[in-house]
Amino acid sequence: QSALTQPASVSGSPGQSITISCTGSSSDFGGYNYVSWYQQHPGKAPKVMIYDVSYRPSGISNRFSGSKSGNTASLTISGLQAEDEADYYCSSYTSTSTLVFGTGTKVTVL
Amino acid sequence: EVQLVQSGAEVKKPGESLKISCKSSGYSFTSYSINWVRQTPGKGLEWMGRLDPSDSNTNYSPSFQGHVTMSADKSITTAYVQWSSLKASDTAIYYCARRVCNINCYFDYWGQGTLVTVSS
Repeated sequence: QSALTQPASVSGSPGQSITISCTGSSSDFGGYNYVSWYQQHPGKAPKVMIYDVSYRPSGISNRFSGSKSGNTASLTISGLQAEDEADYYCSSYTSTSTLVFGTGTKVTVL
Repeated sequence: EVQLVQSGAEVKKPGESLKISCKSSGYSFTSYSINWVRQTPGKGLEWMGRLDPSDSNTNYSPSFQGHVTMSADKSITTAYVQWSSLKASDTAIYYCARRVCNINCYFDYWGQGTLVTVSS
């Protein structure tokens, strides 16, 4: 099973907004809205930032938002901060009852 | 407080067997699936499969089916993943993660990761 496709890297200056895309097939997303996004700092375990396409867990800044259109999900980080520099992965529940991650995106704050 | 605590780093030779663990605490162990995720050095995350601790039912990624076995011991709220014959390509960090899936579905708690090094 192939990974969902994400850009390898995205960068932005502090205060700017960036968007990370996550593209797959219709079977990758399975007709569900079970798309989630994870932030991973070096040497640390991933941390959920967005679940079910656009919901934020308690404690996650409202600078993080998610959306989905067709077979592409997106994570937007607004008001970019130095602490946002990390790797980001999307994940989706598929039509075959498995899970798939994206290829990962390195976010750099310039 | 929900915690998933994994066993320590391992160094093994190709062909050897290995079993690593993920000890859960702070919640009802049988109410959530435990998933295993591989991260190879400098690369991304790969979902290996899930185990339902209530009945030990498993669902493996096709990429890992037949190469790993997931299990759990409810009496000590611990999940395991094991290999019968390791390969150098199994060198990676392995994470366990609890998946909440009621109305919403996502990994809400993760273990700290177990580094497995397979080298002759």
